[in-house]
Amino acid sequence: QQQVKQSPQSLIVQKGGIPIINCAYENTAFDYFPWYQQFPGKGPALLIAIRPDVSEKKEGRFTISFNKSAKQFSLHIMDSQPGDSATYFCAASNPLSNDYKLSFGAGTTVTVRA
Amino acid sequence: GAGVSQSPSNKVTEKGKDVELRCDPISGHTALYWYRQSLGQGLEFLIYFQGNSAPDKSGLPSDRFSAERTGGSVSTLTIQRTQQEDSAVYLCASSPGLAFASYEQYFGPGTRLTVT
Repeated sequence: QQQVKQSPQSLIVQKGGIPIINCAYENTAFDYFPWYQQFPGKGPALLIAIRPDVSEKKEGRFTISFNKSAKQFSLHIMDSQPGDSATYFCAASNPLSNDYKLSFGAGTTVTVRA
Repeated sequence: GAGVSQSPSNKVTEKGKDVELRCDPISGHTALYWYRQSLGQGLEFLIYFQGNSAPDKSGLPSDRFSAERTGGSVSTLTIQRTQQEDSAVYLCASSPGLAFASYEQYFGPGTRLTVT
């Protein structure tokens, strides 16, 4: 049973466009929501993370939006560049209950065309 | 500084053989995780070590899988009597751990296991 549902599976945008990736979760005990970026042949790299006490967080061109009541969160990549082409994973965990293991979404392959 | 390292980077083995995969976490990190990533899939949690506490083995898919962590540092994931469905990338991650109240997990490059 996948605890975090991610969509779309893949998307293609032109350079400068704004890819948006959405994730939804059921477990209301989750309170840490990171996003990872993975290039082919590499391990996932932490991109940005959010806690439920804020509705939005920005780091550079990456923004997370969080809707606690809807149990949804999303990643926006502003002014996307070809170098952003990668697979993105959302995840969730419940560290306050000492449950640090991450439940991952299935991933979204983003292609940014020049 | 050095990140998480894993070896080997690639492993091809015959069905029925045992394999050992190694993970060297970031120095000083007390928490260590193993995940499995099958082709085109997300990451699946396998096992979690935190300091000297008993590991959380809740994600291990069968009793053919086991892991240990010696001296609170290096970890080895062992798969006995490998099956073709074990083919995947095995990822290790480490985290500063509870003492630093850090949730961030840092991943190694993974070991790609192919069972023929």
